[in-house]
Amino acid sequence: EPEVTQTPSHQVTQMGQEVILRCVPISNHLYFYWYRQILGQKVEFLVSFYNNEISEKSEIFDDQFSVERPDGSNFTLKIRSTKLEDSAMYFCASIRDSVSYEQYFGPGTRLTVT
Amino acid sequence: AQKVTQAQTEISVVEKEDVTLDCVYETRDTTYYLFWYKQPPSGELVFLIRRNSFDEQNEISGRYSWNFQKSTSSFNFTITASQVVDSAVYFCALSGLGANSKLTFGKGITLSVRP
Repeated sequence: EPEVTQTPSHQVTQMGQEVILRCVPISNHLYFYWYRQILGQKVEFLVSFYNNEISEKSEIFDDQFSVERPDGSNFTLKIRSTKLEDSAMYFCASIRDSVSYEQYFGPGTRLTVT
Repeated sequence: AQKVTQAQTEISVVEKEDVTLDCVYETRDTTYYLFWYKQPPSGELVFLIRRNSFDEQNEISGRYSWNFQKSTSSFNFTITASQVVDSAVYFCALSGLGANSKLTFGKGITLSVRP
């Protein structure tokens, strides 16, 4: 069964550094998402992406964040200057089209900012 | 705005007991989807079920069953004859359609099943 993959599984970085989290959505999917889960808390929506542009973003997704689909297969989340409070699990998800609403989640990247 | 409330935070049961996880939602959309996800200790999000708002039929899948009541805006999840492997955090979530298709999650319920 096709699956969403994410790399790395765990990233440790120092405050102020830039990080790029990578996701490979399922190949025929058209809608892509990033979510964040701070340890012990609920999963929160960050951004959705369709047709090479952001469809919606939450108030968490400020100017420090950006997303890109550079090559038609990868979907990346960049945090320009990480803060301690960016430490969280970041999940990528995708759906095939506007009819199938099951979001397939990747296994997540645990980001630790020290 | 959409909102999902999971009032229970932690539930502990003994193996083989039945357990119901509650979920109440709010949305202004007339058409929407409801979901349950399981998050085991390993951290991934495992899809359990999706239900659309115009299908109020209850669903059973093995030991799992779901009760969707539009009149009370609830989408409760029952595990029958619980097992230790059911121990996890369970999230209820809500999405709209099209441009509104992001998932809004509840805070999750930590279920511990003791042998």
